[in-house]
Amino acid sequence: AQKVTQAQTEISVVEKEDVTLDCVYETRDTTYYLFWYKQPPSGELVFLIRRNSFDEQNEISGRYSWNFQKSTSSFNFTITASQVVDSAVYFCALSEAEGATNKLIFGTGTLLAVQP
Amino acid sequence: GAVVSQHPSWVICKSGTSVKIECRSLDFQATTMFWYRQFPKQSLMLMATSNEGSKATYEQGVEKDKFLINHASLTLSTLTVTSAHPEDSSFYICSARSELAGFFDYEQYFGPGTRLTVT
Repeated sequence: AQKVTQAQTEISVVEKEDVTLDCVYETRDTTYYLFWYKQPPSGELVFLIRRNSFDEQNEISGRYSWNFQKSTSSFNFTITASQVVDSAVYFCALSEAEGATNKLIFGTGTLLAVQP
Repeated sequence: GAVVSQHPSWVICKSGTSVKIECRSLDFQATTMFWYRQFPKQSLMLMATSNEGSKATYEQGVEKDKFLINHASLTLSTLTVTSAHPEDSSFYICSARSELAGFFDYEQYFGPGTRLTVT
């Protein structure tokens, strides 16, 4: 069965601190995609990254970076020099190759509060 | 590009009434649309997958007679909550997958969500 676990329910940091959000997933498929989304208080989901199961290269985008490790089934997300605008709920999600359905399985989310 | 809208953005209805939520892909055609429900401080749970011109596929535990989904065109899917009750109060989010998406194109474009409150 597919599952996404975000063990950190809430994290509070002070502005300019680095913070890492953990994501562990379970799947039987060899082909799958992993995602991170940001959900600010407005509720609209903001797409951050998509990574396929064949690409374990780490990725950096500005202050954001992602560490994908298949050996530990983890896809962690780091925000460097956090800012108040980073405060939001962050979801990790998994999509398996179920025909053309591609439904997303979301983790429970991590609420990040960045204090000024 | 790839904009998905939802209407209304919020709605308050009385218990026992029905409410319809629209999900539109504005600049692309969507063969597949997904409906999610999110209770306060909880994750998004997939309710159903709808494909244009065919019946929706509901996730286990979701009542198909209560949550009616229609995907009559490539740009519009509707979710109707019938005989709504206070426990149906939630944030409903749709997403759409482009008809141009390849088999391994996992991109879904999310709408802004609809907040339903049943009194």
